[in-house]
Amino acid sequence: DTEVTQTPKHLVMGMTNKKSLKCEQHMGHRAMYWYKQKAKKPPELMFVYSYEKLSINESVPSRFSPECPNSSLLNLHLHALQPEDSALYLCASSHTGLGSNEQFFGPGTRLTVL
Amino acid sequence: QQQVKQSPQSLIVQKGGISIINCAYENTAFDYFPWYQQFPGKGPALLIAIRPDVSEKKEGRFTISFNKSAKQFSLHIMDSQPGDSATYFCAAKLQGGSEKLVFGKGTKLTVNP
Repeated sequence: DTEVTQTPKHLVMGMTNKKSLKCEQHMGHRAMYWYKQKAKKPPELMFVYSYEKLSINESVPSRFSPECPNSSLLNLHLHALQPEDSALYLCASSHTGLGSNEQFFGPGTRLTVL
Repeated sequence: QQQVKQSPQSLIVQKGGISIINCAYENTAFDYFPWYQQFPGKGPALLIAIRPDVSEKKEGRFTISFNKSAKQFSLHIMDSQPGDSATYFCAAKLQGGSEKLVFGKGTKLTVNP
């Protein structure tokens, strides 16, 4: 299985809602990532988990809260978002350590904040 | 220092032609250079990647050329097909096991039939 799955595919939420994005992989990867991608822009790294511990937080606002419950799952909890947070949210995974470079991306969740 | 500069921003090629996308970097600590292909509404997918100890890598119609002294690398798509129409991102990764990828700004390729 060489796939990263993400749910839901689409999400529309109001600024006062709380929602969660989910990501799953069964490739034995111990690094998992959240990226945000705006239209016509490259993916922008938000968080990295390595061995279920948060290793990189790219100064993301606290209204985004990541969680890595186990080595296969990654969640992104959303609360009090702003319309400018509307974007494609991508999850990725990879092996860790030297020589382990390829990141596998999921299809993304298209988020719209009203 | 952490940037990867990609050009052109958009590219239109006729079917059967060669598509060339260029990237340049400053940080000599980068040691892995992948190219990702992204179709609308999909996540990026790794197309081909190279390390700086190799000057060229070919996989099918896709070739990466790497010039370490000039700190430049490029993607060549031979016999371009309409199905190759997508956005292409070059990227770079720091040596030492860093998990962070630095992406170029992307090139939107259109291959006309």
